[in-house]
Amino acid sequence: KAGVTQTPRYLIKTRGQQVTLSCSPISGHRSVSWYQQTPGQGLQFLFEYFSETQRNKGNFPGRFSGRQFSNSRSEMNVSTLELGDSALYLCASSSDTGTRNSPLHFGNGTRLTVT
Amino acid sequence: GENVEQHPSTLSVQEGDSAVIKCTYSDSASNYFPWYKQELGKGPQLIIDIRSNVGEKKDQRIAVTLNKTAKHFSLHITETQPEDSAVYFCAASGGTSYGKLTFGQGTILTVHP
Repeated sequence: KAGVTQTPRYLIKTRGQQVTLSCSPISGHRSVSWYQQTPGQGLQFLFEYFSETQRNKGNFPGRFSGRQFSNSRSEMNVSTLELGDSALYLCASSSDTGTRNSPLHFGNGTRLTVT
Repeated sequence: GENVEQHPSTLSVQEGDSAVIKCTYSDSASNYFPWYKQELGKGPQLIIDIRSNVGEKKDQRIAVTLNKTAKHFSLHITETQPEDSAVYFCAASGGTSYGKLTFGQGTILTVHP
């Protein structure tokens, strides 16, 4: 079974621009979560989608948004980029049985650099 | 909210030795505790997880223990090999937390041949 696929692997953007990152979950997985990883803050939860609905959201500003499509693929968008948004953005999918925590399986991430 | 503390931040061992990484959590409602291994240039890979109704779980050279009373869980790697060198993260979540894991700050494990 193919793993979680994230595109692109690397991005360089300028302050003030916006960016869209893409994630294809493991086949059959309907839950997609996004995380930001930085050396200073570590791994931080952004949001989670299930069946095209956002079910959970972390403590990030409104510039960070996401969506999920009917085929479970997901995108996240960051508007008005700031230097501090430079990070590795990770997507994870899970089978979500609905009754208890299902293991998260991560992709290899998109490395975003804001200059 | 949940807070997870992980120690040590770096760990250096000789090949064949054991390695132990410890984590504490703050939210007594947390009931799921996974461990991830992250190699350079890759995303975190789930290596083992434990739920609050279990005290210990083993998978070959890897074991995890959970002490709910102390809100403490640990990763034990026996007979370490150079390919075990990576960053290890513990995490915790509670109930149906919908994709949200609270991670520790990570431990850089180096196994010397």
